[in-house]
Order: sequence, then C-alpha cells, then structure tokens
Amino acid sequence: SQQGEEDPQALSIQEGENATMNCSYKTSINNLQWYRQNSGRGLVHLILIRSNEREKHSGRLRVTLDTSKKSSSLLITASRAADTASYFCATKNTNAGKSTFGDGTTLTVKP
Amino acid sequence: DAGVTQSPTHLIKTRGQQVTLRCSPISGHKSVSWYQQVLGQGPQFIFQYYEKEERGRGNFPDRFSARQFPNYSSELNVNALLLGDSALYLCASSLDLAYSYEQYFGPGTRLTVT
Repeated sequence: SQQGEEDPQALSIQEGENATMNCSYKTSINNLQWYRQNSGRGLVHLILIRSNEREKHSGRLRVTLDTSKKSSSLLITASRAADTASYFCATKNTNAGKSTFGDGTTLTVKP
Repeated sequence: DAGVTQSPTHLIKTRGQQVTLRCSPISGHKSVSWYQQVLGQGPQFIFQYYEKEERGRGNFPDRFSARQFPNYSSELNVNALLLGDSALYLCASSLDLAYSYEQYFGPGTRLTVT
C-alpha cells in the first residue's frame, strides 16, 4: 500500500476560499514534498519540508508537518481557479531510492 | 535554465513490442528517477540512478530496465509490452542523493499499449 495517503480524495471550493489537504504516512521520513499536477501532466514541485521542520511557507502555500502524528497538511489561501489540479504528497525515508506518493487530492476551485 | 525534458511526449505501441523513453535532467543534477503513473493513482517508483549506477529499484518486473549516461541523461526500456503498461511515465531529477534536495519532474511520456 502507499506510504502517503491524501485526504480528502476530492475537494470543491469557491474562488477566494482556503483549501486544506492532509497527508498521512506510515513510517519515519527524512522529508516530505508536495506536488501539483494539472490534467495528467508532469508534477510541479511546491514545497519540501524536512523532518526537523514544523512549518514552511511559500507565497499562498503553507505546509505543516507533525512527525508524532505522521501527518502533513497543505493550506492554499485565497484560492484561484488556476489552483484547480491534483495535489500529491511524497515521502522519502532514505538518501537513495524512492519517493513514495499517495493517490492525491483533486481540488476544484470554482470561479 | 531548462527543466527536466522527456521524449517522446506520446507513444502508441502494440502488445509484445519494446519501447525506449528518454529523459534529460536539469543541468547540474546527477540523480534521475523514473516513475509510472496509472490514471487515477499517484506515481509509483521504478528506478533511481546516480552517477550511472542504479541506486534504487521499485517493485516492477525485469521487463523494465534503465540506464544513465555520462551526461546524466537516462533511458527507460520496457520489453514485451502488456496492456497494463499503459501509463504516464515520469522522469525526475535532483541535484544529489541527499534527502534534503528537491525532486523535479518532467512533463512525462504518455504510453498507450494496444
């Protein structure tokens, strides 16, 4: 099964509202990365948060990490129609090898 | 600087055929990874290469192979194609192996097996 699992599977909001997506994982990690994917195209890197960090910001994005609960959240503030996409979290627990992805949250932002 | 590039963009093959997908990492990046993404799911790890050596392998059959060249570009080969190999194949590069480095993805190659 996947290491990371996003919740909810789908989220629909109005433009201007905030969107929160959650990611849970099962084993200890070195870092966690959030990605955006538009319509089955390549993944766009959003934020990397390391296991010794609790919160990071990038523009309208805020990511938190709670290693005790093995969970992370991605908050998009003041959402725009262009934020409509699938969002994935990916965890990495070794220096080499794989990043493990969940199945994503599909966000729809209605104009 | 150019991002990760992949070729071809789309590919249609018949069952039993062989396919080669290509990836060029971001300039200066030494690590390349390959992922398979089936519709509706997250990417699944196939391989990671660093300095031309395989450094990680996912749970894929031996029909899947890859290599990395001295210029850090990479090829993914899939032999004896099955219908289930139809997917988006993503290449990702990172500066180095250390976990602190971000991983950047290319646009992917959409493979359809008929």
